[in-house]
Amino acid sequence: SQTIHQWPATLVQPVGSPLSLECTVEGTSNPNLYWYRQAAGRGLQLLFYSVGIGQISSEVPQNLSASRPQDRQFILSSKKLLLSDSGFYLCAWGPGMGEQYFGPGTRLTVT
Amino acid sequence: QQQVKQSPQSLIVQKGGISIINCAYENTAFDYFPWYQQFPGKGPALLIAIRPDVSEKKEGRFTISFNKSAKQFSLHIMDSQPGDSATYFCAARSDFSGTYKYIFGTGTRLKVLA
Repeated sequence: SQTIHQWPATLVQPVGSPLSLECTVEGTSNPNLYWYRQAAGRGLQLLFYSVGIGQISSEVPQNLSASRPQDRQFILSSKKLLLSDSGFYLCAWGPGMGEQYFGPGTRLTVT
Repeated sequence: QQQVKQSPQSLIVQKGGISIINCAYENTAFDYFPWYQQFPGKGPALLIAIRPDVSEKKEGRFTISFNKSAKQFSLHIMDSQPGDSATYFCAARSDFSGTYKYIFGTGTRLKVLA
């Protein structure tokens, strides 16, 4: 069966510091991968999606970037964090023709 | 046109009652409508989903009703239990240049009273 992992689970970072969140999927190959952000009490905002290694599409211009160095690895990064980057970051994967499944999430607090 | 409007924002139901959450959409290109359940501090979990060629789908106590002409769909939770207390999101999927993308509703916080 497929499993999706995210780490770290929680992170507290000062404004202006860099960020790297990692997501990996097990038990499947060539998945579509997604990064979402969920602000407190809000819905899910799609940030990036990827259909293959090195292929990244950005949904919202912002302070973040994404990379996919391996088939089942998706990384969310920032060079300098802003207070507004705080939130719950969710990675999701989906088979080419099917549903979308979420990871456990990373709670990021920028202080 | 890419929005999915979800209501109510919050809902309180007595144990054993029926919880009903509604969603509406505009884009007729959406081809798949899932519902997700999210507990605090956890990622959303796929609960049940429906395709637009079906008017109803039932899985246990959870039922999706779909009205294609009205462009509305709803989640019904029968015999609601305190363990159902969570935030529920509806979503709609579209095929964008060969990639499936999902638009989510803003969520409904359900509280089931014991």
